[in-house]
Amino acid sequence: AQTVTQSQPEMSVQEAETVTLSCTYDTSESDYYLFWYKQPPSRQMILVIRQEAYKQQNATENRFSVNFQKAAKSFSLKISDSQLGDAAMYFCAYDGGATNKLIFGTGTLLAVQP
Amino acid sequence: GAVVSQHPSRVICKSGTSVKIECRSLDFQATTMFWYRQFPKQSLMLMATSNEGSKATYEQGVEKDKFLINHASLTLSTLTVTSAHPEDSSFYICSPDGPNTEAFFGQGTRLTVV
Repeated sequence: AQTVTQSQPEMSVQEAETVTLSCTYDTSESDYYLFWYKQPPSRQMILVIRQEAYKQQNATENRFSVNFQKAAKSFSLKISDSQLGDAAMYFCAYDGGATNKLIFGTGTLLAVQP
Repeated sequence: GAVVSQHPSRVICKSGTSVKIECRSLDFQATTMFWYRQFPKQSLMLMATSNEGSKATYEQGVEKDKFLINHASLTLSTLTVTSAHPEDSSFYICSPDGPNTEAFFGQGTRLTVV
């Protein structure tokens, strides 16, 4: 069975600094998708970034980028120039590809200090 | 992006009563609907997967007779918590299977059983 592990329950970063959130996963599949979702206090799930496993190039979305290491089954999220609005719970998620059924990690609560 | 409407956003009910949660995909058709449950400060756990016009598939440990799912149309799915008890208090989130490989989420429903 696939699993997703986030080993950092909480992280803190100074405004304008860079922070990296870790995620590892386990799967026997070769084709899949990985996601980072943000859940602010409103609890609305917001897609931050997506990575297709068949793509070697790391995905980027403005200040957000990933370090995808397929062999190591690692998928970390880097937030550059952190802003107060980035404070939220961040979930790493895995999709085996056949459906949009997601397996979530336990989340990392990110605090941004002014 | 795709628009998902989940209603109600929060509900308080008495123990023993039933509560219905609706999830609508407003601008796309969803063949498949995923229902997640999230306990405070925890991750999202998949409860069940439903396909339009057929019975839902429940994850291990989820009581199908307590959590009734109806997916009668491509734009509407409902989750009914029957004979609710305080331990059913939680945050419930729907996720229609959207276009491409991106999952979309409803705003969530905070259920409190008193």
